[in-house]
Amino acid sequence: AQSVTQLDSQVPVFEEAPVELRCNYSSSVSVYLFWYVQYPNQGLQLLLKYLSGSTLVKGINGFEAEFNKSQTSFHLRKPSVHISDTAEYFCAVTRIQGAQKLVFGQGTRLTINP
Amino acid sequence: GAGVSQSPSNKVTEKGKDVELRCDPISGHTALYWYRQRLGQGLEFLIYFQGNSAPDKSGLPSDRFSAERTGESVSTLTIQRTQQEDSAVYLCASSLELTQYFGPGTRLTVT
Repeated sequence: AQSVTQLDSQVPVFEEAPVELRCNYSSSVSVYLFWYVQYPNQGLQLLLKYLSGSTLVKGINGFEAEFNKSQTSFHLRKPSVHISDTAEYFCAVTRIQGAQKLVFGQGTRLTINP
Repeated sequence: GAGVSQSPSNKVTEKGKDVELRCDPISGHTALYWYRQRLGQGLEFLIYFQGNSAPDKSGLPSDRFSAERTGESVSTLTIQRTQQEDSAVYLCASSLELTQYFGPGTRLTVT
């Protein structure tokens, strides 16, 4: 079975500051990793995903994430945030063999203050 | 193209009543998933369809929950004898390969 831990339930930052949202996972098998964003009153939108290859993946809206297999982490970063980045961010994994359901973390609420 | 659509967007029902939630996946997507998002929590997997068969129903919380899918098209999630703890946002997703695309969800409130 897989599990995902998002270490911060809430992250407040000032506009134009950098941000890192932390995600650790546990799995006995190899996994694919995803970050989804949920803007207020909207559905989930894929930010980025790691399937294979370079461990640094770039997504939409200037976000990037780095897969660290030894630390079983997939932290999300952005060098300079905007008010419009205020949202809930979810880290998720699915096993590589027979990839099916996503297992989600509890989410991190990112609040950008002017 | 059109994304995943769900209806209704909001549903308020009395405890003990049955409800049906509908999901229209992206055309051509063979896989369809139902998840539940309780207030302030992450998403919980409910059921997965490949075509019209459901190889993984492990997330359905009780026998009051059931789902069906017509071919590679519409899916319906049915909750019988609703309870207050069923209040949540029910999300549907579809995929062709690895990436799941989510609908806007149905917010269910059981009073």
